[in-house]
Amino acid sequence: KQEVTQIPAALSVPEGENLVLNCSFTDSAIYNLQWFRQDPGKGLTSLLLIQSSQREQTSGRLNASLDKSSGRSTLYIAASQPGDSATYLCAVGLGDYKLSFGAGTTVTVRA
Amino acid sequence: ETGVTQSPTHLIKTRGQQVTLRCSSQSGHNTVSWYQQALGQGPQFIFQYYREEENGRGNFPPRFSGLQFPNYSSELNVNALELDDSALYLCASSLSGGHQETQYFGPGTRLLVL
Repeated sequence: KQEVTQIPAALSVPEGENLVLNCSFTDSAIYNLQWFRQDPGKGLTSLLLIQSSQREQTSGRLNASLDKSSGRSTLYIAASQPGDSATYLCAVGLGDYKLSFGAGTTVTVRA
Repeated sequence: ETGVTQSPTHLIKTRGQQVTLRCSSQSGHNTVSWYQQALGQGPQFIFQYYREEENGRGNFPPRFSGLQFPNYSSELNVNALELDDSALYLCASSLSGGHQETQYFGPGTRLLVL
């Protein structure tokens, strides 16, 4: 059974600092890995999708890397802003089309 | 382009009742997946529908059932509600359910079972 872990569960940084969020998974037989953002009580917004054959994806201040062999992905957010405060979830795409999620990292960016 | 919409936004039910949640997929998408997110946890996969057929199911009992309609909108039905069913229910749509596709999530329905 695929287990997805995100550490730390919560993170607080001053504005302008770079954020590094970690995601690990136990089974490397994944099709893709997706990072989402969730604001309190809201749905999920897709940030980046990395296919299993890719090593990284970038969008603006966001960069996500994928190392399938070690079962790890990292989301980097450059020059954090208070608007980046949210919960960030990673999810791995499995052969049966479902996504298996971690519990998320809740980020607070202090002004 | 219309995004994924869900109704209702909030719902309160009592134990033993039945509930129906609705989801309209993003325009052009024929695949809908449903997830349950308990407080403080990541979403858990319930099932997926592709062109009106169930196309995969997570570890949820049969009292969780669904439908997909010809316009690709979908319903999630939960019978005999239990207190542990209190959660945020999310639906997600994708173009055709392929592995290379992004899933787009709706805002969710918050269900409280008393």
